[in-house]
This record gives sequence, C-alpha cells and structure tokens, in this order.
Amino acid sequence: DVKVTQSSRYLVKRTGEKVFLECVQDMDHENMFWYRQDPGLGLRLIYFSYDVKMKEKGDIPEGYSVSREKKERFSLILESASTNQTSMYLCASSFEAPSGPQHFGDGTRLSIL
Amino acid sequence: QKEVEQNSGPLSVPEGAIASLNCTYSDRGSQSFFWYRQYSGKSPELIMFIYSNGDKEDGRFTAQLNKASQYVSLLIRDSQPSDSATYLCAVNPVDSSYKLIFGSGTRLLVRP
Repeated sequence: DVKVTQSSRYLVKRTGEKVFLECVQDMDHENMFWYRQDPGLGLRLIYFSYDVKMKEKGDIPEGYSVSREKKERFSLILESASTNQTSMYLCASSFEAPSGPQHFGDGTRLSIL
Repeated sequence: QKEVEQNSGPLSVPEGAIASLNCTYSDRGSQSFFWYRQYSGKSPELIMFIYSNGDKEDGRFTAQLNKASQYVSLLIRDSQPSDSATYLCAVNPVDSSYKLIFGSGTRLLVRP
C-alpha cells in the first residue's frame, strides 16, 4: 500500500510566522502535490513536483513556496502566514502523472491566528 | 476554464439500495478519471479509476465512462451506512500535463 505521511495532523501558528509542512512518501513516486481544501471551494492545487528539485506552480501558488531536495520528501512553506491561509492542507503522490492515481496523506489542519 | 461538475447533494438512499453518483466534465480530450471517497474531517481515499469507455467493476463499485457525452458515473451496489461520505470526481484534462481537476463532491447519505 502507498503510504503518504504528513508531519502534523493539527497545527496552530501566528500571523507572520514562517510555517513548514512536511510530506513523505514511501513508494518511490516521481510526482508529489500540495493541495488546500476549503468548504465550498473544493481541492485546489498549490504546487507540484515531478522530480527532485523540480517544481511547478499550481492554481494558487501566491504566498507559498515548496522544496524537494529528496525524492521521498516534499515540503510546503508559508513564507509569512496570514489568516486566509487557515485551511486543510493535503499532500499527494503518484507514480505516473497525469494518468496515474494520486494517493493522499491524512492532511494537516492549519490554523493561523 | 476546465470544469468538473457534481451535484452537491445530499443524495439519500436506503441501506441496500444502489447509489448513483454522476460527474460531467468540460474538456472533451480528458484521458483519466478518478473517484475518491472522503469522510468528514479525513483525506480523500481513491476507490476507482477508469480510462476507457464502458464499465469497470470492483466489488460493490462500478465506474461508468461515456466520453462522447462527457460524463463519468459511480454506482455503489448494496449501499451501507458506512458508505456515507462525500464522493469526489477527478479528471485529467488533455493539456494539463500533471494536474487533476477535482469536482466539489457529492455528499451521499445511506439511511439504515
């Protein structure tokens, strides 16, 4: 079974802080993704990576950056957290993109106060 | 703007009935189609994927794809209360390279 692990289930941070969300997958997948999910807005892609050190912007990259130094790990960084970044953050990985299925981690519910 | 449309529901069915969930998409060249189940407060879980026209069965689940009409359906036979969840449809548009476009989901409620 594919295992995608996100470092925290719940996280509370303050406005202006730099926030790191970590994601690790154990299936040697090339492709990794970061989404946020908000009521009424569905799943929105923030960034994705198709190889080590490679990244592409998704639909809503503003205020975020990512890092992929190793194949199994994909980090999402909130450069200066703001209250409108309070959300559920979901990491996913896939072996084959775009045709292959994406497998999600458990999610991180992030609150910015 | 590529779109994936789902009725938000809730779709309410009695236990043991067939639940039919539908999804339409705007990009005629879309190649891959996925159904995810998401329980409240949890992350999406992949339950089916389909690439070719026709039906694909896996246990109580059947995915149906009709590319000419641009819709994909999920049938759940012998519905159980544990099937109560939100079901997300996801589609890979032809020019998206790596992206999936997700629908907003249909909430299914199975009444005991």
